[in-house]
Amino acid sequence: SYELTQPPSVSVSPGQTARITCSGDALAKQYGYWYQQKPGQAPVLLLYKDSERPSGIPERFSGSSSGTTVTLTISGVQAEDEADYYCQSPDSSGTYFFGSGTKVTVL
Amino acid sequence: EVQLVQSGAEVKKPGESLKISCKGSGYSFSTYWIGWVRQMPGKGLEWMGIMYPSDSDIRYSPSFEGQVTISADKSITTAYLQWSSLKASDTAMYYCARLTGVDYFDYWGQGTLVTVSS
Repeated sequence: SYELTQPPSVSVSPGQTARITCSGDALAKQYGYWYQQKPGQAPVLLLYKDSERPSGIPERFSGSSSGTTVTLTISGVQAEDEADYYCQSPDSSGTYFFGSGTKVTVL
Repeated sequence: EVQLVQSGAEVKKPGESLKISCKGSGYSFSTYWIGWVRQMPGKGLEWMGIMYPSDSDIRYSPSFEGQVTISADKSITTAYLQWSSLKASDTAMYYCARLTGVDYFDYWGQGTLVTVSS
């Protein structure tokens, strides 16, 4: 079955770097996408096509891809970055799956 | 400005039917797939299905096929998600979202909270 695996949680001090991985076989052939969801809010597109930032997304958010893993990097973490982060990717049959989500805690 | 505005929160009893809506504006509604995503309390995002309003092509996640019905009225640029018989386990926040490039969701509605309780 199709799965995207993320770590449940990541903790980081302000100003440090947080890295969140997302692994799945389909990522070897498909792009990965990232969403940020703050408490009580709808998800927001953070990165598309592994590493592209939509307009308005701060430069401290970046992405990379290697093999079956995509990585979201938050450089110089700020308190406002505390949120849940989800990866997503389509599979070859045109269905869409989300990773299980990673809660980022800013210490 | 692209906007997806969803209908308000609903409180229903088990066995009742429900149809929630998502009105799109600021873009060509008919020519973008629109999808629905479930988020159960304290849980992650689950893709339910997508629809192409122009020709009514619909694709359901295997987990939701037969459980819900997705539809749209392109004349009023509105997509719908409906249940014929709600269960307590349908209690969740439901988001609509626009699919771009048939790969990812670039705009999201604000969510509709559905509570099913006797």
